[in-house]
This record gives sequence, C-alpha cells and structure tokens, in this order.
Amino acid sequence: AAGVIQSPRHLIKEKRETATLKCYPIPRHDTVYWYQQGPGQDPQFLISFYEKMQSDKGSIPDRFSAQQFSDYHSELNMSSLELGDSALYFCASSLLNREAFFGQGTRLTVV
Amino acid sequence: EDKVVQSPLSLVVHEGDTVTLNCSYEVTNFRSLLWYKQEKKAPTFLFMLTSSGIEKKSGRLSSILDKKELFSILNITATQTGDSAIYLCAVLRGGSNYKLTFGKGTLLTVNP
Repeated sequence: AAGVIQSPRHLIKEKRETATLKCYPIPRHDTVYWYQQGPGQDPQFLISFYEKMQSDKGSIPDRFSAQQFSDYHSELNMSSLELGDSALYFCASSLLNREAFFGQGTRLTVV
Repeated sequence: EDKVVQSPLSLVVHEGDTVTLNCSYEVTNFRSLLWYKQEKKAPTFLFMLTSSGIEKKSGRLSSILDKKELFSILNITATQTGDSAIYLCAVLRGGSNYKLTFGKGTLLTVNP
C-alpha cells in the first residue's frame, strides 16, 4: 500500500542557508501535518493543512513556512537555518479526523 | 494549550512480563486518542480510540479510553524484545483546527 513519501531523507545545510522539505501524502488523504522531532524528544507540531488550506499552526518559527499544492503534496520551507533547527522532520497524512500515518522523515543537519 | 502526559517515562521489564502504559490528556474539543510505536524511525500507528470503554485489541496489545477521567491505557501482555520502543500517545482535536498533540512518550525496554 502507498505510504507517505518524504524527500529528501537526509539533508545537510550550513547556517543561514535555506532548506525545502517535501511530503507526498497517501493518495486521497485530505489532511497533512508537519512535525519536528529533536533527539530524545516527542514530535512537536508545526503546522497542518486540510484540503490545501492551512488548518492549524503550532510553534513554528517565522523563518519557516509551508504550503500544500493542488496535487496535495506539501512543502516545508526553512530559511536562515540555525544549528537548533537540526532535527527529524516528519510529515503525516490522514483522512479527515482519522488516524495519521507518518512518512519516514527528513533528517536535517545544520552545520 | 493541549496537554498530553504519559507515564511512566521509562520502563524496563523482562520478556514475558505484562506492562501498562498510561496517558492522560487535556484538550479543547477532543476528538480521538491515538497510540503510536516509534523505534528508530517514524511513529507507526497502533490504535485510535474515540469512544469510552470500548477496548481495542491487536494481538498482545490492547487499549481503552476513559473520556470521563480523560485517560487511556495501553496494555502489552507477554512482552517480547521486539516490543522495545517508545510508545507515543497523541490526542486529535476536532472542530476545524486539525492538530495531533503528542505526549513525551514511554520508553519501554524489554530484556531477554
């Protein structure tokens, strides 16, 4: 069965650079979530979309932005990267109000 | 602010033991509670609980929700080393703001 696809799987960037993370949800899923997970921490909610419209926003820095496109894929854009942005970034998708399935994540390392 | 509290934070048992993991929550417009298992990669879905008192079961794992007392438990019987993982509890908010809030997880270690 198709799963949530994230790309890239690993990304190394320098401080102050920009990164774009991509997420391709499970087909026909209408809700997408983005999470940031630091080492030994629980997933922190960043932002969610329902039917391509932003639904809710968590503790997402102003340097980050996200959108969902007409084909339902979503991108998380991160600018002026800081060392503290190094983390695992997960995307999850679901049908509305149903269980969310997670992608394998993008490991971002800022050096 | 939605809040999910899991206990214990860490648990070490021997193979064959039974464990109970706890999750309590405070959330605006509660819709469902979900349990996930996370090994060294993405959280994998275990259960979604929406109604009180109805046990969900999958093999040696089971879970139940108490919406009056705002908590859920995840039971694992006859634990195996492959059950070693972080178990995450999350609550899904209803309404039009779709957000899944996670607890800090319980790290379960099952020793042979």
